[in-house]
Amino acid sequence: DAGVIQSPRHEVTEMGQEVTLRCKPISGHNSLFWYRQTMMRGLELLIYFNNNVPIDDSGMPEDRFSAKMPNASFSTLKIQPSEPRDSAVYFCASTRQGKNTEAFFGQGTRLTVV
Amino acid sequence: GEDVEQSLFLSVREGDSSVINCTYTDSSSTYLYWYKQEPGAGLQLLTYIFSNMDMKQDQRLTVLLNKKDKHLSLRIADTQTGDSAIYFCAESPLYSGAGSYQLTFGKGTKLSVIP
Repeated sequence: DAGVIQSPRHEVTEMGQEVTLRCKPISGHNSLFWYRQTMMRGLELLIYFNNNVPIDDSGMPEDRFSAKMPNASFSTLKIQPSEPRDSAVYFCASTRQGKNTEAFFGQGTRLTVV
Repeated sequence: GEDVEQSLFLSVREGDSSVINCTYTDSSSTYLYWYKQEPGAGLQLLTYIFSNMDMKQDQRLTVLLNKKDKHLSLRIADTQTGDSAIYFCAESPLYSGAGSYQLTFGKGTKLSVIP
């Protein structure tokens, strides 16, 4: 398996533009997580899905952020409109629920909003 | 809610032992994890411990769990420059089947190894 795949790896956009981050979880994994990492706040959980259903989105900072998981092999995190303070590395992770809940992370998308 | 705390920085000399500490608040934590993040990469699982254990050893890594104090530590013996990274402590409850599953991470400890 190729692991969790995120795209793009890097994104530079202007303030006010819409940004869409993409994630393909590991096949067979039924939980998917979106995290944001910054120097100031560390790793923050934004939202997670179980079996494509959003379970907890309390970490989503504002209404400008939205996430979808239309099927078991694809998820998006959208920011509209983007702001400079959204600049961070966004990670997607997936797990298979079971005795050992190891989370496998993607390489992350480094977002810069100028 | 659940909370996981770690110190932010640790510096050690090459060849010494490193000890990274973590405290957590959720008494229902069943699994406790250590993840490693190298520069420009995602997090990778290093090791984990089940809550009914108090120690786990894996080559140069030793995990100690004090469940009463909710304290977890990671000891790296003979620390090498390649161990320089950010180390994250994480905890999760046993999945309940009710959609309440969540993995909670600390903010990470940046380990710097001085040659």
